Amino acid sequence: IAGITQAPTSQILAAGRRMTLRCTQDMRHNAMYWYRQDLGLGLRLIHYSNTAGTTGKGEVPDGYSVSRANTDDFPLTLASAVPSQTSVYFCASSDSASGSPETQYFGPGTRLLVL
Amino acid sequence: SQKIEQNSEALNIQEGKTATLTCNYTNYSPAYLQWYRQDPGRGPVFLLLIRENEKEKRKERLKVTFDTTLKQSLFHITASQPADSATYLCALQPYGNNRLAFGKGNQVVVIP
Repeated sequence: IAGITQAPTSQILAAGRRMTLRCTQDMRHNAMYWYRQDLGLGLRLIHYSNTAGTTGKGEVPDGYSVSRANTDDFPLTLASAVPSQTSVYFCASSDSASGSPETQYFGPGTRLLVL
Repeated sequence: SQKIEQNSEALNIQEGKTATLTCNYTNYSPAYLQWYRQDPGRGPVFLLLIRENEKEKRKERLKVTFDTTLKQSLFHITASQPADSATYLCALQPYGNNRLAFGKGNQVVVIP
């Protein structure tokens, strides 16, 4: 069982370019999340999805968009990358959308450098 | 404003001793509090969860306490080993939704 996979592992991107970070889970979890992790700021939620077909904004959604066409995939798109989006991006999933204490499972991360 | 505070300074501890980390929060009323471990270059991994109405939870060499009056959780690693060296994150989950708010993490270095 792979759990959560993310692609690419790392990327250098020119400012202004469009980029999609991919996330796939094979655990059939209802909920999925995108975080960014920056030194000194910790993990911050970008967008989330409680179930296929629905998405919501997290703490830092500006400049990012997501879609949830099916249970397994939750891509994150940067429409026009800016240097402040340089970060490590983590995708996560959990088996609940109802507020019960389900833990989150994280992918290995995508390291993005925007120049 | 809501805050989750973990010590930004790394905790250096001798092998075999107990490491204790603190997670303080303000302006939250969490239903659950979780602790995660993160190794360099990897995603966080869940360790323990404690509910609002629980005082203490144990798992092998790990112990978590939760004091909603003090708005604080303590995370203990007993008989620490070099393999316990990592960053440990606390995360709060409010009632009614599954979204976690994470602290910035506290690094532990276990010295052989």
